[in-house]
Amino acid sequence: AQKVTQAQTEISVVEKEDVTLDCVYETRDTTYYLFWYKQPPSGELVFLIRRNSFDEQNEISGRYSWNFQKSTSSFNFTITASQVVDSAVYFCALSEPDQGGSEKLVFGKGTKLTVNP
Amino acid sequence: DTGVSQDPRHKITKRGQNVTFRCDPISEHNRLYWYRQTLGQGPEFLTYFQNEAQLEKSRLLSDRFSAERPKGSFSTLEIQRTEQGDSAMYLCASSLAVGTPLRGEQYFGPGTRLTVT
Repeated sequence: AQKVTQAQTEISVVEKEDVTLDCVYETRDTTYYLFWYKQPPSGELVFLIRRNSFDEQNEISGRYSWNFQKSTSSFNFTITASQVVDSAVYFCALSEPDQGGSEKLVFGKGTKLTVNP
Repeated sequence: DTGVSQDPRHKITKRGQNVTFRCDPISEHNRLYWYRQTLGQGPEFLTYFQNEAQLEKSRLLSDRFSAERPKGSFSTLEIQRTEQGDSAMYLCASSLAVGTPLRGEQYFGPGTRLTVT
């Protein structure tokens, strides 16, 4: 069965600090996809990144970076020089590619990030 | 606005009443998903449609829940005889699944928050 664990329930930082959100996943499949979504107070989930299981290269997008390590089944997310607007709940999610079924997402419980000015 | 829209955004109902929610996906997206999110949890998959066909339903979707997607466009989710445990945010997502295997990023709507009193 698929499972995503985000052990950090809440994190609070001061603006300009770097922060890393942890994500550990479980799956029996060799082919799968990992995602990060942001949920600001407005409630709408915002897609941030998708990574397939065959691509372990780290990715950087502006102040965001992702570290995918299959050996530890982790897909961690780092925000550099955090800003108040980064305050949100961040979800890590896992899916399997379509095999005649859905690409339903299995989410972790989320990490609430508060960035204080 | 070309994103996923949901209506209503908030619904308060008394236990035992029926409610219906609507989701309008991004135009030409062939897949539509329903998720449910309770406080402090990540979204949980309920069901999905490939065009107008409902192809998968979660065990979370009891007999009181029914979803439709006539003509493969908008979708409705109906809950009959609501219970207090149905109180949650109901999220809709759509994707354009292409390729082999079919895959596509899911884009979420703002959700409908249901409160059953």
